[in-house]
Amino acid sequence: KNEVEQSPQNLTAQEGEFITINCSYSVGISALHWLQQHPGGGIVSLFMLSSGKKKHGRLIATINIQEKHSSLHITASHPRDSAVYICAGGDFGNEKLTFGTGTRLTIIP
Amino acid sequence: DSGVTQTPKHLITATGQRVTLRCSPRSGDLSVYWYQQSLDQGLQFLIQYYNGEERAKGNILERFSAQQFPDLHSELNLSSLELGDSALYFCASSVGPGGRSTDTQYFGPGTRLTVL
Repeated sequence: KNEVEQSPQNLTAQEGEFITINCSYSVGISALHWLQQHPGGGIVSLFMLSSGKKKHGRLIATINIQEKHSSLHITASHPRDSAVYICAGGDFGNEKLTFGTGTRLTIIP
Repeated sequence: DSGVTQTPKHLITATGQRVTLRCSPRSGDLSVYWYQQSLDQGLQFLIQYYNGEERAKGNILERFSAQQFPDLHSELNLSSLELGDSALYFCASSVGPGGRSTDTQYFGPGTRLTVL
């Protein structure tokens, strides 16, 4: 069983829909990272959070430390949001990341 | 552009060979991380260096080694290559040693290694 699990594995939605991707982890972490991997392979760090909520543009990330759960939300989704979204838990004292398997998001115009 | 550079972009080699992947972190970043992304294993953390010293080790094979030089660039050496080593290798950098909420990692574009 992976220490970091994501759901769903694949998600297809219409442009404009509100998107939620979930991440659950079974180990103690210092911070939870959300990454975006584009079809070309490049990885962009979206958020790093250890409590509460962060917002950047149309993206919102939340974390519940007690429940060991984080969500990534995308409002007013757009085809350019199509990518693989990966959550990862960071170890204490360093950033040895344990990755989820990713959620492949496809937004249809 | 993250500011992290990796060379080469693509590398094709044969089993048994040795290759070196290079990473230059963002200006001012002291930590460098190496990751492997293969089709069957997903993203895996290999190793982290902070200011020239090894800070954390993950699932790095004994055939692999890395170092961070005084100018903070890092190299990942892969030897006795096997077919299963074919993967995308990413490096990332951050300002601090990690474990703090400010230590966002910035990823390089990756090196695609193909072992034939």
